[in-house]
Amino acid sequence: QSVLTQPPSVSGAPGQRVTISCTGSSSNIGAAYVVHWYQQLPGTAPKLLIYGNSNRPSGVPDRFSGSKSGTSASLAITGLQAEDEADYYCQSYDSRLSGYVFGTGTKVNVL
Amino acid sequence: QVQLQESGPGLVKPSETLSLTCTVSGVSISGYYWIWIRQPPGKGLEWIGDIYDSGSTTYNPSLKSRVTISVDTSKKHFSLKLSSVTAADSGVYYCARVGDGSSFDYWGQGTLVTVSS
Repeated sequence: QSVLTQPPSVSGAPGQRVTISCTGSSSNIGAAYVVHWYQQLPGTAPKLLIYGNSNRPSGVPDRFSGSKSGTSASLAITGLQAEDEADYYCQSYDSRLSGYVFGTGTKVNVL
Repeated sequence: QVQLQESGPGLVKPSETLSLTCTVSGVSISGYYWIWIRQPPGKGLEWIGDIYDSGSTTYNPSLKSRVTISVDTSKKHFSLKLSSVTAADSGVYYCARVGDGSSFDYWGQGTLVTVSS
């Protein structure tokens, strides 16, 4: 039931930069609802990575950054590290659903 | 520090009711929204519903007819009931706090629920 679309996977070598897109519509991201990002390491609960489009919670490295434009948002990881290998999800609010929506999820592979 | 812990049966029979509790420590339940999220095996995250300390709730329309979320501020926990479960309801169930900008800033570790006879 995901209404936010993400690429299934992205890959990069250690030290490289990767980006993950999150595409929504006029009832969620395009309606000016903020976007948040979560990192889910294997076998663990998701962890808040970016909130309010581009803000990092305390303790999150500045290698992670978020942006939003129109009906889409992006998460960038610079200086990719082996420990960044995880699933990443975007999340927003949808006025048509009157509730929260998640992205389809993206697996980041560190080559 | 803020901690959330899910508890409840790991195995539920088809057509029965799934019941989980989330115990909150390190912060008051009052003044926040609290949420249930689930993740089927190998799949993505799905919002189930949320509740404010007053007891006001919002449910995912796809589950609304089967879901009840309640809160007990004195006991510092909130609960989920999902009725008439099927195998499609199997997965890891998470509780979380709704924080800044409606992000989910604190999560429980999750509890695996399997629906099977």
